[in-house]
Amino acid sequence: DAGVIQSPRHEVTEMGQEVTLRCKPISGHDYLFWYRQTMMRGLELLIYFNNNVPIDDSGMPEDRFSAKMPNASFSTLKIQPSEPRDSAVYFCASSPDGRGETQYFGPGTRLLVL
Amino acid sequence: GENVEQHPSTLSVQEGDSAVIKCTYSDSASNYFPWYKQELGKRPQLIIDIRSNVGEKKDQRIAVTLNKTAKHFSLHITETQPEDSAVYFCAARTGNQFYFGTGTSLTVIP
Repeated sequence: DAGVIQSPRHEVTEMGQEVTLRCKPISGHDYLFWYRQTMMRGLELLIYFNNNVPIDDSGMPEDRFSAKMPNASFSTLKIQPSEPRDSAVYFCASSPDGRGETQYFGPGTRLLVL
Repeated sequence: GENVEQHPSTLSVQEGDSAVIKCTYSDSASNYFPWYKQELGKRPQLIIDIRSNVGEKKDQRIAVTLNKTAKHFSLHITETQPEDSAVYFCAARTGNQFYFGTGTSLTVIP
């Protein structure tokens, strides 16, 4: 199994541009999570899905952030418009268990907004 | 909401010694407590977890203890090795949310 796959691995963009991060969970995993990690704020849960349905998006910082999961094997996290304070490492994780607790993280996308 | 505090922020131990990292939480409804290890530039990896109906769990050199009354849980690493050097994060699940501690940077000195 290839594990959780994220793309791109690195993204450099200019303020105001749209950024789309992609994630492919491990096959058969019903839960998918999006996290953001910064030095200042640590690891934060942004949103997660169960069977493609958003369960909790209370961690999404503002309306500039949106996430979708159109099918069981693909999810996107979009930032529009991007701002320098969005610079962070964004992790996707998936979980096979009934509670979404045993989570397997992807390699992350390192985003830099200039 | 839940508030998870983690101490210490940095920890250095000699190889072979034990390391203990402690987390406290505020919401008595929290019922699941995982620990993650993150090596520099890598992804977080789940190393051990515990549920609120259990007081202790052990996996080889790693153990986690939970004190529900005091609302704290701790990670214990025995016989530390240089490859244990990493940042360790605790977390607590309350309802639909997962809350993370700020991390402990552990350095094992050969």
